[in-house]
Amino acid sequence: EPEVTQTPSHQVTQMGQEVILRCVPISNHLYFYWYRQILGQKVEFLVSFYNNEISEKSEIFDDQFSVERPDGSNFTLKIRSTKLEDSAMYFCASSVQPTGAYGYTFGSGTRLTVV
Amino acid sequence: AQSVTQLDSHVSVSEGTPVLLRCNYSSSYSPSLFWYVQHPNKGLQLLLKYTSAATLVKGINGFEAEFKKSETSFHLTKPSAHMSDAAEYFCVVSLTGGGNKLTFGTGTQLKVEL
Repeated sequence: EPEVTQTPSHQVTQMGQEVILRCVPISNHLYFYWYRQILGQKVEFLVSFYNNEISEKSEIFDDQFSVERPDGSNFTLKIRSTKLEDSAMYFCASSVQPTGAYGYTFGSGTRLTVV
Repeated sequence: AQSVTQLDSHVSVSEGTPVLLRCNYSSSYSPSLFWYVQHPNKGLQLLLKYTSAATLVKGINGFEAEFKKSETSFHLTKPSAHMSDAAEYFCVVSLTGGGNKLTFGTGTQLKVEL
């Protein structure tokens, strides 16, 4: 069964450093997403991406965040200057359609720890 | 606006007994509804989805859910719990035709005891 692959599975970084979280969506999917889950809290929407553009973003997705699809397979989330409160599990997801008629497939997540 | 309320943060059942995880939603439009499961240190796995077809939806591992518009509910059930069902379960809503953002519930931790 096709999978969404995320790397690394764990990342520890110092406050103020830049991090890039990587995702390889399912090959025939066109819509890509990032979500995050702070420990003990809800899974929260960050951003959706289609046709090389951001479709929608949440209030959390401020100027320190950016997304990119640098080639035909990778989808990345960059945090420019990490803060302690960015520590969370970050999930990448992809879908064939935007409305979820065929579901959304999530990756296993990257656990980011900012120290 | 859309929202999801999972009524129980923790549910504990004995192996072999029925499972009921409750979910109520709020949506101004026709929603798509999903249940995802997260096992420890694993990603989010889709259990089942409702997208305005049959109101009783069957998913993987013997789980099913019924969409009840009059009660704005989408409860998850399984006739007989197995130890491997112990995990966190998330009820999720997405607006049909209203965008592609998923809104998650706070999750229900299911514990299965011998």
